Amino acid sequence: GQQLNQSPQSMFIQEGEDVSMNCTSSSIFNTWLWYKQDPGEGPVLLIALYKAGELTSNGRLTAQFGITRKDSFLNISASIPSDVGIYFCAGQLVDTNAGKSTFGDGTTLTVKP
Amino acid sequence: GAGVSQSPSNKVTEKGKDVELRCDPISGHTALYWYRQSLGQGLEFLIYFQGNSAPDKSGLPSDRFSAERTGGSVSTLTIQRTQQEDSAVYLCASSLGGLWGNHQETQYFGPGTRLLVL
Repeated sequence: GQQLNQSPQSMFIQEGEDVSMNCTSSSIFNTWLWYKQDPGEGPVLLIALYKAGELTSNGRLTAQFGITRKDSFLNISASIPSDVGIYFCAGQLVDTNAGKSTFGDGTTLTVKP
Repeated sequence: GAGVSQSPSNKVTEKGKDVELRCDPISGHTALYWYRQSLGQGLEFLIYFQGNSAPDKSGLPSDRFSAERTGGSVSTLTIQRTQQEDSAVYLCASSLGGLWGNHQETQYFGPGTRLLVL
């Protein structure tokens, strides 16, 4: 089946630094999603990408859908302590199994004040 | 309530026992999804409902796992004869349902049920 490789697995950064994480896939997707999960909570959608090459921003977050449709990255600028959490990428093939998402293993972000 | 709710929030059971996990989706959402999250891992798709039917059950790991949805609302995930490897967080999500153009709708997740099989 499809697999997503998400990296890095964890990051320890200083408040104010920028963060970058990415996902690569062995096969194509036509939707890429980025979620954040806080302890004891379900994931919350941050950014959704629907077209190859698309670059989308949501506040300090920027994500891009790779041209090959096999990768995506998420950048967080000027990190703050509340950015702490686990970030997941997810890919969907909308025209085959609606709603079925394949998730990466997550990037755990720690921000030191 | 306004969001997806799941119960119980935590469940400890003995190996070999059956468990039922419940999901109440957001009112009006016709699509419902179950995922499993093991410690330090991403989410593993289990099953998807559109209304009361399940077009995709491909993620159910074995025949000990089953799910149903009645009235187009509440869903129950049942694990029979639980094994220690079933220990995980079981997450439910819902969305409005269907596809609009090429865009998939946002899935809203519940807080999960933490299952521990001893």
